[in-house]
Amino acid sequence: DVKVTQSSRYLVKRTGEKVFLECVQDMDHENMFWYRQDPGLGLRLIYFSYDVKMKEKGDIPEGYSVSREKKERFSLILESASTNQTSMYLCASSMLTTNEKLFFGSGTQLSVL
Amino acid sequence: LAKTTQPISMDSYEGQEVNITCSHNNIATNDYITWYQQFPSQGPRFIIQGYKTKVTNEVASLFIPADRKSSTLSLPRVSLSDTAVYYCLVGGGGRRALTFGSGTRLQVQP
Repeated sequence: DVKVTQSSRYLVKRTGEKVFLECVQDMDHENMFWYRQDPGLGLRLIYFSYDVKMKEKGDIPEGYSVSREKKERFSLILESASTNQTSMYLCASSMLTTNEKLFFGSGTQLSVL
Repeated sequence: LAKTTQPISMDSYEGQEVNITCSHNNIATNDYITWYQQFPSQGPRFIIQGYKTKVTNEVASLFIPADRKSSTLSLPRVSLSDTAVYYCLVGGGGRRALTFGSGTRLQVQP
């Protein structure tokens, strides 16, 4: 069965800390995405990557960076966490085809205090 | 990128058919239309996908008119377990961002 695994289900961090959110997929997918989800705002795209070491900004990249050193792993980095980054973070992956189907992880609920 | 518009919320009763419409006026020629379902505290999961006309699977049907500027997800005889948020996603694959709309919150009552 296909799987997208996010390293933590719940995470609590302090303001100013550097935070790493890890995502691993076992489907050999080229595309990987990071979204954040806040009540009433739906899913907002932060960054995506279509290949190793490649990254593209989504709709809300400010305050975030990403790393994709291996095809199966896509990391989201909060260089200096702030309280407005408290949110649910969802990772997804898909094939590089014309009708991609996204597979999502279960999400990481991040609280920045 | 095709922007999508959906109703914010819908209410229904068990056993009824529910139709959720998504508008995507600037859909591109190579874009597909995909619907996802999301339960609380979970990631969205794929329901159905189509390019034109009608698609049906064991869970839902998807109706797409000839101009492809909208699509309708049809859930036959909903149950309480269909209470969720439904997202319409329009995209053509490749190296492109996939941006979701705000989704439709469906509440099914007994």
